[in-house]
Amino acid sequence: EVQLLESGGGLVQPGGSLRLSCAASGFTFSSYAMSWVRQAPGKGLEWVSAVSHIGTSTYYADSVKGRFSISRDNSKNTLFLQMNSLRGDDTAVYYCAKDNVGFDSWGQGTLVTVSS
Amino acid sequence: EIVLTQSPATLSLSPGERATLSCRASQSFSNYLAWYQQKPGQAPRLLIYDASSRATGIPARFSGSGSGTDFTLTISSLEPEDFAVYYCQQRGNWPLTFGGGTKVEIK
Repeated sequence: EVQLLESGGGLVQPGGSLRLSCAASGFTFSSYAMSWVRQAPGKGLEWVSAVSHIGTSTYYADSVKGRFSISRDNSKNTLFLQMNSLRGDDTAVYYCAKDNVGFDSWGQGTLVTVSS
Repeated sequence: EIVLTQSPATLSLSPGERATLSCRASQSFSNYLAWYQQKPGQAPRLLIYDASSRATGIPARFSGSGSGTDFTLTISSLEPEDFAVYYCQQRGNWPLTFGGGTKVEIK
């Protein structure tokens, strides 16, 4: 069974940093691209970032480009999202998702709250 | 960036009725269009990929169609568990984008 478990969320002040992790199991992690998708409270889904299966290619939404960095450690079956210069509009539940023909598996999400 | 516009924003229907959800793109792209269902407090679930292919375990009452800029998700006969929010997503161009969602509520 595919499992994705996010961690690292919490309360951070504007301008601060957080590093999210997503531990994967139940599939060959190194064979799949992975993405982060976020959802602000009461709002819709927003794709944030993606990384290729071997980590050589990365992609970002314009809203986070230059502030967030996606990476992965295939030896540890873990996906990361380094978030710097956080702003209030970054407040959201952050999901990691396995990219197959669509996002066919999702974690339960980790809440990031940016507030002073 | 490809903007996806979903309509209607809310669809009020009764169990057993047919639901037709629309997703319109700001520009044409390959048929890498996916549909997701999300219930309150849960992560989204993939329903349809490549515009018309059902994901694993998705009931046959869910179907997708369309190409170019106009796509449709149809639920042939609503079951009680189908009342939820539905999102379309394009995977043909970077950045990936989602539509704003359609809420299917009980009438």
